[in-house]
Amino acid sequence: KNQVEQSPQSLIILEGKNCTLQCNYTVSPFSNLRWYKQDTGRGPVSLTIMTFSENTKSNGRYTATLDADTKQSSLHITASQLSDSASYICVVSGGNNDMRFGAGTRLTVKP
Amino acid sequence: NAGVTQTPKFQVLKTGQSMTLQCAQDMNHNSMYWYRQDPGMGLRLIYYSASEGTTDKGEVPNGYNVSRLNKREFSLRLESAAPSQTSVYFCASVPLHRSSGNTIYFGEGSWLTVV
Repeated sequence: KNQVEQSPQSLIILEGKNCTLQCNYTVSPFSNLRWYKQDTGRGPVSLTIMTFSENTKSNGRYTATLDADTKQSSLHITASQLSDSASYICVVSGGNNDMRFGAGTRLTVKP
Repeated sequence: NAGVTQTPKFQVLKTGQSMTLQCAQDMNHNSMYWYRQDPGMGLRLIYYSASEGTTDKGEVPNGYNVSRLNKREFSLRLESAAPSQTSVYFCASVPLHRSSGNTIYFGEGSWLTVV
C-alpha cells in the first residue's frame, strides 16, 4: 500500500470555483510535505513545502494545510483558472528525507 | 537558466535494444535522481547520486544502470529494454541529498515506449 494516498483521483470544476485536494500519509517519522503541480507533458513544479511545525502555507491562489497529528494535508485552490488544469502531486519525506510520492489528483478546470 | 535538461524527449525502442537517457543540470546541485512515472502510480525512484562519484539504487533499479559523469550530468541506461520499461522518465536534482526543505527541480520528462 502506498504510504501517500491522494484524493480524489480526478476532479472537474468550473472556472472561478474553489476546490480542495487531499493527501493522507502514513510516512513516519515525518520530515516535510511538498505539493507539486504537473502540467500535461511537463515535469512537476514546486508549489509549497511544509515542515512539521508549519500548518499552513500559501503561494498565490494555492494554500496548503498540514495536520501532522492526523497525517493529513490539503491543497486549496481559490478562484480557479483554466491554467490550473494539471495533476497535483503530494510528496512526503520521512526521517531520513527519503521522498514518497502520491499518485496525484488530476484537476480539470472548464470554462 | 535551463535548470534540468533531459534528452531525448521521445523514444521508441524494440525489445532487447539498449539506450541511454541523458540528464544535465546547471544549478550546481550535488544530488541527482532518476524517477519513472506510470499511470495511477506515484513517481518511483530508480537510482540516485547523492554526490559526484556516488550512485545508489532506489526503489525500482532492476534493468537499469546509471553513471554520474560529473557534477552536472547523470545518465540512465537501459541495457536490454523490455516492454515493462515503457514509462515516462524524469530526472531531478536538489542542492543536497536528504536535506530537509530542499526544492526538487525536475526535467521535462522522457517518454519511452518499448515494443
